[in-house]
Amino acid sequence: EVQLVQSGGGLVRPGGSLRLSCAASGFTFSNYWMTWVRQAPGKGLEWVANIKQDGGQIYYVDSVKGRFTISRDNAKNSLYLQLSSLRAEDTAIYYCARAFLAGTVHWFDPWGQGTLVTVSS
Amino acid sequence: SSELTQDPAMSVALGQTVRITCQGDSLRSYYASWYQQKPGQAPVLVIYGQNNRPSGIPDRFSGSSSANTASLTITGAQAEDEADYHCKSRDSSGNHLYVFGPGTKVTVL
Repeated sequence: EVQLVQSGGGLVRPGGSLRLSCAASGFTFSNYWMTWVRQAPGKGLEWVANIKQDGGQIYYVDSVKGRFTISRDNAKNSLYLQLSSLRAEDTAIYYCARAFLAGTVHWFDPWGQGTLVTVSS
Repeated sequence: SSELTQDPAMSVALGQTVRITCQGDSLRSYYASWYQQKPGQAPVLVIYGQNNRPSGIPDRFSGSSSANTASLTITGAQAEDEADYHCKSRDSSGNHLYVFGPGTKVTVL
């Protein structure tokens, strides 16, 4: 079964840091792009970052550039998101997902169960 | 612009058909993908590409595209189809940047 299991998250003060993890199983992790998507309470989905199979291409949404870092360890079948300089507006459920990105076609599937990050003093 | 627009809410009678649309300039160049999200759950991919369904997605879900508009159609809506539906497209820049629409809440009456 293709599965993504997330860990990390929690309550952090403004300006603080946190690392999210996403453990993959049931597929060849190193063959896929991976992505992070977040959802603020009561809001829609927001794409956050992508990382290519070998880590050689990385993209971020403008609002997190310079503060968040996506990375992966193919030997451990794991994806990470380091969140730094956190702001109240970063409060959201963060999802990891396997990604297929090629030409005009793209999809995110499956998704992890999500992990809540709350930024508050 | 890479923004996508969707109707905030739609309703459909049980067994009837509902068409959910997503508009944006990037859809002239890239297909949309569609995600179903039920309360308290992670999103699930339902349609991608021209009109492709992942394994396990019922064939009452279909997709289409014309000009700057992508559509998700549920033919013969079931009670379990009540959910939020989010479209997604690739950024017009050509880089691997992605954007979601605001989502459409579908209520099955």
